Amino acid sequence: QQPVQSPQAVILREGEDAVINCSSSKALYSVHWYRQKHGEAPVFLMILLKGGEQKGHEKISASFNEKKQQSSLYLTASQLSYSGTYFCGTDKGSSNTGKLIFGQGTTLQVKP
Amino acid sequence: DTAVSQTPKYLVTQMGNDKSIKCEQNLGHDTMYWYKQDSKKFLKIMFSYNNKELIINETVPNRFSPKSPDKAHLNLHINSLELGDSAVYFCASSLGTGWWDTQYFGPGTRLTVL
Repeated sequence: QQPVQSPQAVILREGEDAVINCSSSKALYSVHWYRQKHGEAPVFLMILLKGGEQKGHEKISASFNEKKQQSSLYLTASQLSYSGTYFCGTDKGSSNTGKLIFGQGTTLQVKP
Repeated sequence: DTAVSQTPKYLVTQMGNDKSIKCEQNLGHDTMYWYKQDSKKFLKIMFSYNNKELIINETVPNRFSPKSPDKAHLNLHINSLELGDSAVYFCASSLGTGWWDTQYFGPGTRLTVL
């Protein structure tokens, strides 16, 4: 039931782009993306809702393909501050309890 | 002003002891959660309360007991601590329980059981 994220880890140079994928074996109603820096709390980035919409946040955007049951997070022209572990949290929409199932995380390291 | 706060930030204790972690949110949210993040960074839901009512109770040892005295507070009490309980425990809150509701995390409590 846990969504699968890929890649597990990625190393970039400043200014390079990256894509992080989140795939589920179950139909999804929403995908929530978070970034967690070492020793800190997960910080909310954006939420993608059923309907396939694409959202943006500065140079970070995401898409949600309901049919494929997957979401992708796009990091454009990466900055040092983008380093951290990215998690997708998924909600199947069946329980109405707010229960999120998180992927295993993707560690992103941006080097100067 | 801190939106979701937890105390303590660090907790080091011996096996067999009982300890509590406290969480408070000032966002006016109705729903609060406890998550456990293990050493491999796997983030797993443990409990959730909505308007002081328990709505998520995952497969967690009954040594763990959450308590919500009001909508703004959610505490976690752990009895007879074991080595495997060592982890970072995060509190989170959201406006409601819908799949469209965003969850905001507290700073975490790093529990080390010796």
